[in-house]
Amino acid sequence: DIQLTQSPSFLSASVGDRVTITCRASQVINSYLAWYQQKPGKAPRLLIYGASTLESGVPSRFSGSGSGTEFTLAISSLQPDDSATYFCQQLNTYPPTFGQGTKVEIK
Amino acid sequence: QVQLVQSGAEVKKPGASVKLSCKTSGYSFTNYYLHWVRQAPGQGVEWMGLIDPRGGTTRDAQKFQGRISMSRDTSTRTVYMELFSLTDEDTAVYFCARAKLSMAFDYWGQGTLVSVSS
Repeated sequence: DIQLTQSPSFLSASVGDRVTITCRASQVINSYLAWYQQKPGKAPRLLIYGASTLESGVPSRFSGSGSGTEFTLAISSLQPDDSATYFCQQLNTYPPTFGQGTKVEIK
Repeated sequence: QVQLVQSGAEVKKPGASVKLSCKTSGYSFTNYYLHWVRQAPGQGVEWMGLIDPRGGTTRDAQKFQGRISMSRDTSTRTVYMELFSLTDEDTAVYFCARAKLSMAFDYWGQGTLVSVSS
């Protein structure tokens, strides 16, 4: 199975800060990477698919980049509502696998 | 609007089985795969398997082979996932989610907590 390693596992930043989260795959996954946001007790919400395509309805402060084995999720100006856990998912090869998550805290 | 509504929480004893449902609405049922994933307390997300509602074909993770069964009822637009021989390690929130082919999971059910305890 393809392993996805996210870093950092936790970050604390202030409102208005730019934050980035990295997802590294153990094998090339082309652009078959998605990013999700999950708040406590809720289902994950799709933010980005195809490594860089913003899902409909997702604020434009979220962006994704990368290809091959290294990918990044960026939040250009952190907002209070962005406090959540973020995780990546690869869909290039079965089984689909997920990163362990990055918890984002607002200072 | 697209909705995936899952069945309620379950409490099971080790060795038992559990059957969860995921009722869909608001889109063409046969045009999207339905996936099952789970999330143990404080853990990451683990893919369990998928069903193609068009023909009922399933594909499951090697970890669950022989212990999982997925089915669908096209008349009620509902998919089911049954997990057998439960252990306490199966305690988790189980989600259904829809996706097209190798696309991302764009809609999710609300999750079903399954607790396994003697």
